[in-house]
Amino acid sequence: QSALTQPPSASGSPGQSVTISCTGTSSDVGGYNYVSWYQHHPGKAPKLMIYEVTKRPSGVPDRFSGSKSGNTASLTVSGLQVEDEADYYCNSYAGRSNLVFGGGTKLTVL
Amino acid sequence: QITLKESGPTLVKPTQTLTLTCNVSGVSLSTSGVGVGWIRQPPGKALEWLALIYWNDDKRCSPSLKSRLTITKDTSRNQVVLTMTNMDPVDTATYYCAHSPLTYYYDSSGYSISGYYFDFWGQGTLVTVSS
Repeated sequence: QSALTQPPSASGSPGQSVTISCTGTSSDVGGYNYVSWYQHHPGKAPKLMIYEVTKRPSGVPDRFSGSKSGNTASLTVSGLQVEDEADYYCNSYAGRSNLVFGGGTKLTVL
Repeated sequence: QITLKESGPTLVKPTQTLTLTCNVSGVSLSTSGVGVGWIRQPPGKALEWLALIYWNDDKRCSPSLKSRLTITKDTSRNQVVLTMTNMDPVDTATYYCAHSPLTYYYDSSGYSISGYYFDFWGQGTLVTVSS
């Protein structure tokens, strides 16, 4: 199972919006509405930010939103804050109860 | 609140078998809808999903590692155990366990499943493979 494709880096200034893409195939991202996104600060446990493409767990700011079009899912962070600087990973169900992660995107808040 | 904590050796030799334990608190592994998965992250690299086990003992493993992985649960101790055989230096990584809920429901579309995500994570344990 190949990893999902994410841009290695993304950046924005405080207050701006940034969108991170996650590209897969019709066998994973495009075939199911089971895309999730995780925020990972080095040395800490990853944190669930979005699940099932668009759903936000309680406690996650509504500045974080998810979407999907075809085989590409996206995470948008609006009103960037310094604490949003972290690595972000997408994950998708890939059939037969298999899961696949993306390669990760390092978000820098300039 | 659900909490998870990984434990196991910090150093294993090549060809040895790794055994990691995930202690789960705040939810019973026998409760319908409860799942626990293992994910790893080699230094400087991306997350990689390894395995999942559900309350009903349904088990799933990454196809690329399936021949080396075994996942089991001990409901009495509320623990999930992952074993990985024939360890190699490329298996050096931080290993995480995480809670993964699975819910079946009916809506306007008919029968649906909610799941395949990880909502609570342990802090991770670094395992180094070296002779």
